[in-house]
Amino acid sequence: QSVVTQPPSASGTPGQRVTISCSGSSSNIGGNTVNWYQQLPGTAPKLLIYGINQRPSGVPDRFSGSKSGTSASLAISGLQSEDEADYYCAAWDDSLMGEVFGGGTKLTVL
Amino acid sequence: QLHLQESGPGLVKPSETLSLTCTVSGGSISSGSYYWGWIRQPPGKGLEWIGSIYYSGSAYYNPSLKSRVTISVDTSKNQFSLKLSSVTAADTAVYYCGRRVVVVAANYVYFDYWGQGTLVTVSS
Repeated sequence: QSVVTQPPSASGTPGQRVTISCSGSSSNIGGNTVNWYQQLPGTAPKLLIYGINQRPSGVPDRFSGSKSGTSASLAISGLQSEDEADYYCAAWDDSLMGEVFGGGTKLTVL
Repeated sequence: QLHLQESGPGLVKPSETLSLTCTVSGGSISSGSYYWGWIRQPPGKGLEWIGSIYYSGSAYYNPSLKSRVTISVDTSKNQFSLKLSSVTAADTAVYYCGRRVVVVAANYVYFDYWGQGTLVTVSS
């Protein structure tokens, strides 16, 4: 059981805006920055968002991140079929002295 | 472009030691700006951070695995390695290596490059 919690699934239709939540505690999300990774089927995870809301080069601005207190969110606007993937949030945990990942959210594009 | 490649046995017997190596190309593992780490993913499950190491050899581990894990670095070969002892079926997973960025001033800590992953099955 992860110390950072995500909903197991989310869905949306093409063009729609969807959000994925990530809930933690003061020792991880509350006190540190949050990262998001996208894992397409059968591939390695890819960095999508770092430092709460920073996009690496090449990541479309349809993807955005935010944080409030001990929770974070990933928003995807203009949903596309190729966005169908697993999404993981992650943060450093000051108590565990290590990195923690959320359990992952499977996004389905209907 | 940085490239990371995991290598090692795909099958390990219970109670034995799992050993994997990550070879880094397109950049130096001795760059002071980065750490290097291992993450694993059991089939159909989520990601779990195993541990990370600096080129100097300073390493830190997931507390839940610390008693069984050793991560080492070989700067002459531009490689770092993972050893996990006393494995059981619960250690069956895809193992990824990655480059870990740390920007203290901005409190940024993240993995920006990942290897393709290698499946290790623990079975007799």
